[in-house]
Amino acid sequence: QLRLQESGPGLVKPSETLSLTCAVSGASIGSSNYHWGWIRQPPGKEPQWLATIYYTKDTYYNPSLNSRVTISSDTSKNQFSLKLTSVTAADTGVYYCVRRDIMILAFDLWGQGTMVTVS
Amino acid sequence: EILMTQSPATLSVSPGERATLSCRASQGVASSHLAWYQKKPGQAPRLLIYGASTRATGVPGRFSGSVSGTDFTLTISRLEPEDFALYYCQQYGGSPTFGRGTKVELK
Repeated sequence: QLRLQESGPGLVKPSETLSLTCAVSGASIGSSNYHWGWIRQPPGKEPQWLATIYYTKDTYYNPSLNSRVTISSDTSKNQFSLKLTSVTAADTGVYYCVRRDIMILAFDLWGQGTMVTVS
Repeated sequence: EILMTQSPATLSVSPGERATLSCRASQGVASSHLAWYQKKPGQAPRLLIYGASTRATGVPGRFSGSVSGTDFTLTISRLEPEDFALYYCQQYGGSPTFGRGTKVELK
């Protein structure tokens, strides 16, 4: 069954690093058909794209995050990860891992999301 | 950054009625680079429309998308009870950005 599942701590202290992992089942992150990424949604706000990684390991980031974000992948475990450094309360929100189909370019598959609170 | 402006913020509609949601880009966005998502409380967003007008797999035919210049429209022809939700537009021409959403609520 095709599924994305986020995991990581639900509470992070200010100035520390937020680390999340997305386990992918039913699809290979090494496939050239897809890109993988992270999107977050702060409470009461619109979703914000954070980062994308290609099967080639090329990475793309939201420039507004000022180099605080890193995305990586582990094809042997079929998972990818997000690190966000120097977090503040503004980083609180639901974090989703997502898949982008390279044919349609939209985010066609989302994980259920994990709530992260910075406090 | 391309800003996406959605209107109205809230749309009050009765079941069976038509809902028209708008999304405008602050600069040119190729029609192939616009998507619509549905968001319900406690659920992940669901892709409805991509390429401005193509329904994603499993999306009912009452959902349709269109474009005119930099103005994009999502139309729900006859609202079903399960359609009351938040709807976001998103461009993916460069760094992907989302609009602030339109809430479709029961009138």
